[in-house]
This record gives sequence, C-alpha cells and structure tokens, in this order.
Amino acid sequence: GENVEQHPSTLSVQEGDSAVIKCTYSDSASNYFPWYKQELGKRPQLIIDIRSNVGEKKDQRIAVTLNKTAKHFSLHITETQPEDSAVYFCAASPTTNNAGNMLTFGGGTRLMVKP
Amino acid sequence: EAGVTQSPTHLIKTRGQQATLRCSPISGHTSVYWYQQALGLGLQFLLWYDEGEERNRGNFPPRFSGRQFPNYSSELNVNALELEDSALYLCASSPIDRPYEQYFGPGTRLTVT
Repeated sequence: GENVEQHPSTLSVQEGDSAVIKCTYSDSASNYFPWYKQELGKRPQLIIDIRSNVGEKKDQRIAVTLNKTAKHFSLHITETQPEDSAVYFCAASPTTNNAGNMLTFGGGTRLMVKP
Repeated sequence: EAGVTQSPTHLIKTRGQQATLRCSPISGHTSVYWYQQALGLGLQFLLWYDEGEERNRGNFPPRFSGRQFPNYSSELNVNALELEDSALYLCASSPIDRPYEQYFGPGTRLTVT
C-alpha cells in the first residue's frame, strides 16, 4: 500500500518568512496530492491540491510543487502570518474509483509563526 | 453550502461498551470516508462508503463497522470498546465527479475509560 512521509514534524518561522514542508510517497499509482490545514480543535481544511498532470499550482501565498519522477511534493507558504500557525498534513491518493479513493496521510507538520 | 456535520461532538464510553457515531455529508456528495486521528498522530483511514456499499476498509479490526443510508448519511459503530480506541473520529465526503477530493467534518471525540 501507499506510504507517505512528511518532514519536518515541527517548523518555526518568523512572521514574513517563507515555510516549506516536504512529503514523499511510495505508490506510483497515486496521482492526487492534497494539503490540509488543521487548527487546534478544528477540522482538517483542504487548502490546495495538485494532480499529477501538473508540476506546480499556486493560490495566493501558497503553492504546491510535484516531482512525480522522484515521488515527492512540497507545500510552500510565502509571507507567513500568525494565522498560518497550524498543523499541516499532506496526503496522496489514486484518482481511479476501482483502486479506492482513500487518502494516505503524512504524519503532519506543526507550523509556528512567531510575530 | 452546509459542510459535513457529525454527531455527537463528544462521546464518553466505558471499555467493552459500543459507540455509534453519525455523519451527514455535504449535499450532493455520495461518498463518505471515516478516519481515526489518535492524539498526536496523523489520520488513519478506516472505512469508505459509496452508494450504500462498503468499498474499502483500512487496517482496523472487524469491531469497527458502519453503514451508509439511502440519503448518503453514514454511521460508524465501534463494538467492544478498548482504551486505545480513544481518538477523534473524522468523517469526510466527496463529490460524485471528484471522489478523491475530500471535505472533513468537525469530528467526534470518543473517550474510552
């Protein structure tokens, strides 16, 4: 089955700096890679995702890059703000119904943005 | 558009009892997924329901079961509760045309004493 590893487990940055979180996956059948943000006591929120037919996707201050050959993908947050502080999870999934669409999650990264 | 809802918010049970957790998906979503998030750990896939059928299950014992109703809502049952079942149980739903794109509910915090 799929195995997703996420690094680092904790990340502390100064407000305004950039933050990068990296994930690797093992199953070449995976072709959908979402990122979730989970604030304390709240539900995981889908913040950005990427399909394997593109190498990069941006949405304002966040971007995700994918290297399918190397089986790794990364989340980039620029101009970090205190409200970006949360636990971020990467995940991987195939997109074909027959293979199942359950997400395999990384272990999470606790991002702390210091004002 | 209303999001995924779950009930109850909190549930306290004694070891050996049974727990029932409920989930209502986003309107128009037909797939429901259940995940377990133990304290300090990531999310582990439990069960996937689509069109009323169990499509896949994760590496959990058979005492974790559930069902999906004709209105696509779902129920997770945990029998013979053990202390290590204490966790946040998250339900997610996905649209029919993008079944991999999952939106989570707020979760049910199950505590087993």
